[in-house]
Amino acid sequence: QITLKESGPTLVRPTQTLTLTCTFSGFSLRSDGVAVGWIRQSPRKAPEWLAIFYWDEDKSYRASLRSRLTMTKDTSKSQVVLSMTNMDPVDTATYYCAHATRRRNCRGGRCYSFDYWGQGILVTVSS
Amino acid sequence: DIQMTQSPSSLSAYVGDRVIITCRASQGIRNDLTWYQQKPGKAPNRLIYAASSLQSGVPSRFSGSGSGTDFTLTISSLQPEDFATYFCQQHNSYPWTFGQGTKVEIK
Repeated sequence: QITLKESGPTLVRPTQTLTLTCTFSGFSLRSDGVAVGWIRQSPRKAPEWLAIFYWDEDKSYRASLRSRLTMTKDTSKSQVVLSMTNMDPVDTATYYCAHATRRRNCRGGRCYSFDYWGQGILVTVSS
Repeated sequence: DIQMTQSPSSLSAYVGDRVIITCRASQGIRNDLTWYQQKPGKAPNRLIYAASSLQSGVPSRFSGSGSGTDFTLTISSLQPEDFATYFCQQHNSYPWTFGQGTKVEIK
């Protein structure tokens, strides 16, 4: 059974750095064809993809946020950590981590799709 | 960035109705499209992947079709539990992008 759960602060001040941890179970991020991604969703808006960490250590970040985002993983703890610097009130959103699987007979990032999501964590940026 | 345009943005239908939601990509994305259902306060739930493959455990009244730039999600017989917002998402090229959503209400 695959599960993921986000943890971290629910309130951050403007200019601070947000650090979120995704703790997962039921899979290994070292398994071929597996990835963990981050997505956020502002209230009453569409989700916004932020980043993805692949089984082979490859990563991709949203270009418009690239200078602010960093992802690391701790395989022994089954965790992926996302850091976002210089937080602003517009970054207020629910942040999700999600498991992605590569479909059969396909190669490349385009072949991955999010099939399991964490419950999300609402992060408010306010002074 | 690839823009994903969903229509309609909202709809109201009767239980038992056939509902069709469309999603158009601003450029070709092959079949690199996923459909999600999201209920209030919950994470998105994958319904369809690779444009037309049904996620395990999802009722067969849900189906997807399309390739290239035009895609559809069909609910063959709407049920009360299908009240939700539906999103399409392309993962053909970065940044992966979502449609703005279609809110389905039950009449």
